[in-house]
Amino acid sequence: LAKTTQPISMDSYEGQEVNITCSHNNIATNDYITWYQQFPSQGPRFIIQGYKTKVTNEVASLFIPADRKSSTLSLPRVSLSDTAVYYCLVGSRDDKIIFGKGTRLHILP
Amino acid sequence: AAGVIQSPRHLIKEKRETATLKCYPIPRHDTVYWYQQGPGQDPQFLISFYEKMQSDKGSIPDRFSAQQFSDYHSELNMSSLELGDSALYFCASSNQRSSYNSPLHFGNGTRLTVT
Repeated sequence: LAKTTQPISMDSYEGQEVNITCSHNNIATNDYITWYQQFPSQGPRFIIQGYKTKVTNEVASLFIPADRKSSTLSLPRVSLSDTAVYYCLVGSRDDKIIFGKGTRLHILP
Repeated sequence: AAGVIQSPRHLIKEKRETATLKCYPIPRHDTVYWYQQGPGQDPQFLISFYEKMQSDKGSIPDRFSAQQFSDYHSELNMSSLELGDSALYFCASSNQRSSYNSPLHFGNGTRLTVT
């Protein structure tokens, strides 16, 4: 199971683009990269998943360089409601789904 | 769309009592995961089931047990409760055995308070 490292916390302002980078140096060939968002007292919510290059959906973009040793979650034009904890998970279909230390994102007005 | 349903939403128990938490996955989802999240902590994986069989085990105490029933709902049974068991317990479901290539859908959790 690939270990991930994310910043413990980040602050940003409304309307800004926020990029959260996750390091996963020992990612395996079969591993996917998945991001979840969690608000206080709620269950985590799936945001985006990718394997390589770039993935975009209505909520975020995920950038994965060619070596796949890191990935960056990009949230365009954040609002106060994007204040949450963001988790980067890396694993393959046979791995347990383990949450590491997430990034506490605080959006300021 | 139907979501994962957990009951009860809140539960207060005394030390050494038992508790049962229930999880009803999204229809046609055959995989259930249980997580424990203490105050200010990140979710800790407890146990998972696929097609009514235990598929993986995490940091689940021996005092806890769980099962998945024929209708795919799952129950987490907790005995000899301790103060440290106070936490949010989340259940998640998926339509694949392991969801690194398919997202997990989480319920809103059961908040257990042990006094």
